[in-house]
Formats: sequence, structure tokens, C-alpha cells
Amino acid sequence: DTGVSQDPRHKITKRGQNVTFRCDPISEHNRLYWYRQTLGQGPEFLTYFQNEAQLEKSRLLSDRFSAERPKGSFSTLEIQRTEQGDSAMYLCASSAMRGRPVEQYFGPGTRLTVT
Amino acid sequence: GIQVEQSPPDLILQEGANSTLRCNFSDSVNNLQWFHQNPWGQLINLFYIPSGTKQNGRLSATTVATERYSLLYISSSQTTDSGVYFCAVVNSNTGKLIFGQGTTLQVKP
Repeated sequence: DTGVSQDPRHKITKRGQNVTFRCDPISEHNRLYWYRQTLGQGPEFLTYFQNEAQLEKSRLLSDRFSAERPKGSFSTLEIQRTEQGDSAMYLCASSAMRGRPVEQYFGPGTRLTVT
Repeated sequence: GIQVEQSPPDLILQEGANSTLRCNFSDSVNNLQWFHQNPWGQLINLFYIPSGTKQNGRLSATTVATERYSLLYISSSQTTDSGVYFCAVVNSNTGKLIFGQGTTLQVKP
């Protein structure tokens, strides 16, 4: 399977705990995106990387959130001191960059529940 | 920023019926994607369509970029077509997607 993968698929945590999610993009894709989706809404952009460089962060990404892509391959998204409002589906997508952005492909998502 | 509106928000069909989903966007865009989100939350790519018309089996899509809308046609609907359909426009510099609120489709047997 050469698609985008995410781990874990589900995470239940208690308020105040830290959580980390992983995304493995399609191997030849140099762009990687994180989105968040709450119930009944469309996904919302959080941040993106081109290779290892984080080029943009949304205002949705508070200082409790941090994302990395250290070697330009997989990426991690960490949430510190989780709050109930962080409960959502976290989606990762990747795409190639050939002069301009092209089609994005999504992973299965990580569903976070904060109790 | 660009606003994306989808209509209708909800749609119930009898199996075998045809439907049209609409996506309006507030500014010119370089590209647009249609997705189907299955009950497990996976976003499945349907079309990547900056302009013109594309067809894939029972599904087709048309984007009229100059008039800032796109349409998704589903013909001879099946129960497996149920789910949420999203359109998303592409920011030409960053490539980030800006999603609409989705159309929830239920196809009854």
C-alpha cells in the first residue's frame, strides 16, 4: 500500500495529557498537510511542510500544538495539555509540488477523544 | 479569504435516482477537488478539476471557473454512494485546501 498512512487511528486521552500523532506521506510527495475536522464540519487547514520546512501555520494552531517533519519524510503532530475542545479527527494529506501545488491525497485520519 | 459554499446541505435519494451537488466559491481559484468521505472518515478523491468536465463511471464533475462554481453529478445512485461529499478549492501559493461544509447524501434501497 503506497497511500498516506496515519497512526494511531483512534486515541482516547484524559484532559491535560500530551498526545502525538504520526503521518507517513506518499513516498515521492514533498508537501505534507495537517487538517482538523470537527463533527459536522469540513476539514480545516492547520499547517503544512515542504520537505522539512514548516511554511505556514493556521491561527487554529495554538501554542499547545507543534508539528515536525525532521527528515522531510514522516511528520508528527503533538498536542500538549489536551483540552476537550481538541476532540476531533486529525487528517494528514500529501502532494507533489511541480511548479504549483497538485492533487492532495488523504490518510485515514486519527480520531482524538479527550475525556 | 475564499469562501466555499455547498448545496444542498442534505439530500435523500431513492436508489437509482440522479442528483446534482453544487459548490460555489467566492474568488477565482486555480484548482478544485471533490471528495467523498466514507462512514469511517476517509476522504476519497473523486475529481481534481480546475475547469471543464471529467467523468468517472457514474460520476462526473464540471467546473466553470469564470463563474466560480462546480457541479458534481451522480447518476443511477447506489446505497454505497451514501456519505458526505466535499468540494475544496486550492490556494494557488500554498496548495492548502479550503473546504465547504459538505453535502450529506443518503441513498435508500
